[in-house]
Amino acid sequence: DQQVKQNSPSLSVQEGRISILNCDYTNSMFDYFLWYKKYPAEGPTFLISISSIKDKNEDGRFTVFLNKSAKHLSLHIVPSQPGDSAVYFCAASAGSGTASKLTFGTGTRLQVTL
Amino acid sequence: DTAVSQTPKYLVTQMGNDKSIKCEQNLGHDTMYWYKQDSKKFLKIMFSYNNKELIINETVPNRFSPKSPDKAHLNLHINSLELGDSAVYFCASSPLGTDTQYFGPGTRLTVL
Repeated sequence: DQQVKQNSPSLSVQEGRISILNCDYTNSMFDYFLWYKKYPAEGPTFLISISSIKDKNEDGRFTVFLNKSAKHLSLHIVPSQPGDSAVYFCAASAGSGTASKLTFGTGTRLQVTL
Repeated sequence: DTAVSQTPKYLVTQMGNDKSIKCEQNLGHDTMYWYKQDSKKFLKIMFSYNNKELIINETVPNRFSPKSPDKAHLNLHINSLELGDSAVYFCASSPLGTDTQYFGPGTRLTVL
């Protein structure tokens, strides 16, 4: 039972354009959402997060949008750069505090082309 | 100035052997985790420790035994390795009271 889903396994975007990565979740107890970026042979790197009390969080070229009623979040990268090519994981947790576990999606591979 | 480090990066071993993976974080975090990424690239939590105390144990076979000698270290010992244990194992840490976790580079375990 996959509680966090990333239905697009891959995405190709031209340099300079917007990349939109999507994530859906089923557990209504999730209240904190994160995006991680992963290069081959490296660990996931924290990118940006959002609490369920917000619907948008922005950090430089990265913006995460949360639609709680649809149980959907998205990561926008604009403008996309070749160095953004990586696998992006969406993750969610239920209740912060001591050792909340993260539930991950299966990832979307983003390829930014020249 | 490595934040979360793991050793070894690669581990190839025979079925039935016992092996350990070490993890250290120098971020001063209170909580540490082990995740397993299987062949389908699915990242799933195995354990978490807070200040050397086991907090989460996600129905992992008892052949897997985490050990936390201090809050900066969380090691993973695996007994009687099986083919299905082949995966990439990631260690992570987080400050107390937050859900943002910081990951190590991973250890690719191959059981032959």
